[in-house]
Amino acid sequence: RKEVEQDPGPFNVPEGATVAFNCTYSNSASQSFFWYRQDCRKEPKLLMSVYSSGNEDGRFTAQLNRASQYISLLIRDSKLSDSATYLCAVRNTGGFKTIFGAGTRLFVKA
Amino acid sequence: AAGVIQSPRHLIKEKRETATLKCYPIPRHDTVYWYQQGPGQDPQFLISFYEKMQSDKGSIPDRFSAQQFSDYHSELNMSSLELGDSALYFCASSSFGLAGPEAQYFGPGTRLLVL
Repeated sequence: RKEVEQDPGPFNVPEGATVAFNCTYSNSASQSFFWYRQDCRKEPKLLMSVYSSGNEDGRFTAQLNRASQYISLLIRDSKLSDSATYLCAVRNTGGFKTIFGAGTRLFVKA
Repeated sequence: AAGVIQSPRHLIKEKRETATLKCYPIPRHDTVYWYQQGPGQDPQFLISFYEKMQSDKGSIPDRFSAQQFSDYHSELNMSSLELGDSALYFCASSSFGLAGPEAQYFGPGTRLLVL
């Protein structure tokens, strides 16, 4: 079993839809959590860090559930420009090593 | 705002040759990370440096080595290149906060093709 797993995707949604991605992690010592978006053949771009209390940035909301060991990303009012691969990343306590999930591909259609 | 700089952006080498990739972190970032991403794969952590010392190690082959210099830039040295080394190599940098390394920001990557 991979240390960080994501919904397999792809997700095909119409513009304006709300879509949610989940990411589970197996190491209970995980401390820091992040969502990145990656466009084809480009570098991952930080979308948001995920805090215990949950956090929101415009149309994007991230949640952390330590008890069930998962993080989620909610995108409201999807735009065509949201089409990308969304990667979750987890870093363990006391370490620098960051494990990425395999990514979830999102296609937003007009 | 200044971002992570990587050079070269593209590199073509032959089997058994060597390659050196360079990374210049965001100003005032003291931590550098190297990742390898094959086609359709997620980024695989190779190695990281904090304050010029190796801070963590992932799936970096013994044929590869890296270091961080006094100006915080880092170089990834790859020797005896194999076809399977063809991939995108990303460098990321972060600052170090009270709770440990902060969020990482990625450079544009070096696309390495080994023929």
